[in-house]
Amino acid sequence: EAGVAQSPRYKIIEKRQSVAFWCNPISGHATLYWYQQILGQGPKLLIQFQNNGVVDDSQLPKDRFSAERLKGVDSTLKIQPAKLEDSAVYLCASSLAQEARETQYFGPGTRLLVL
Amino acid sequence: AQRVTQPEKLLSVFKGAPVELKCNYSYSGSPELFWYVQYSRQRLQLLLRHISRESIKGFTADLNKGETSFHLKKPFAQEEDSAMYYCALRQAGTALIFGKGTTLSVSS
Repeated sequence: EAGVAQSPRYKIIEKRQSVAFWCNPISGHATLYWYQQILGQGPKLLIQFQNNGVVDDSQLPKDRFSAERLKGVDSTLKIQPAKLEDSAVYLCASSLAQEARETQYFGPGTRLLVL
Repeated sequence: AQRVTQPEKLLSVFKGAPVELKCNYSYSGSPELFWYVQYSRQRLQLLLRHISRESIKGFTADLNKGETSFHLKKPFAQEEDSAMYYCALRQAGTALIFGKGTTLSVSS
């Protein structure tokens, strides 16, 4: 089966610009996650979707970050305006369901550099 | 607060030596514990989970609720084990909480 797809793989922007990332989860996976991984840290959840509804966005900086999952399949994550500290790898993951036993499958990530 | 601690940033061993990657967690309840691995130029992937009680690629991990630990062990390290290892916990319905990761370097 095809894995989680993400694009672009790399992005370089200047601070105060906007940027968008796209994620296509594994077919049939109801739960989708966006994680931010800053250099030297483990991934940290930004937002979790169950189908097209938000389950947890408590750690999403809502003044600049937004995400949507229209039709409960693909998802986009946007940053506007970007700050230097947003430089990180943005990982998308999906799982069949929310239960703890369900394996999360990760995409390759989008590496963002904000100058 | 839920937290996962991996005290070692880097662990260097020789091929054939035993390996133990440490993981401690703080959580009031019964979380599920996982080890994820990221090999060079590959995506993050599940290595094993405590509930399965299985051995994957020779690695095992035992959940010790008294010590709140979930250390990853392998009796004889191989060069292909060199990677970044992340310990993570998860409560039902929530996302994973990761530690900062430990880089394992196995040299011949």
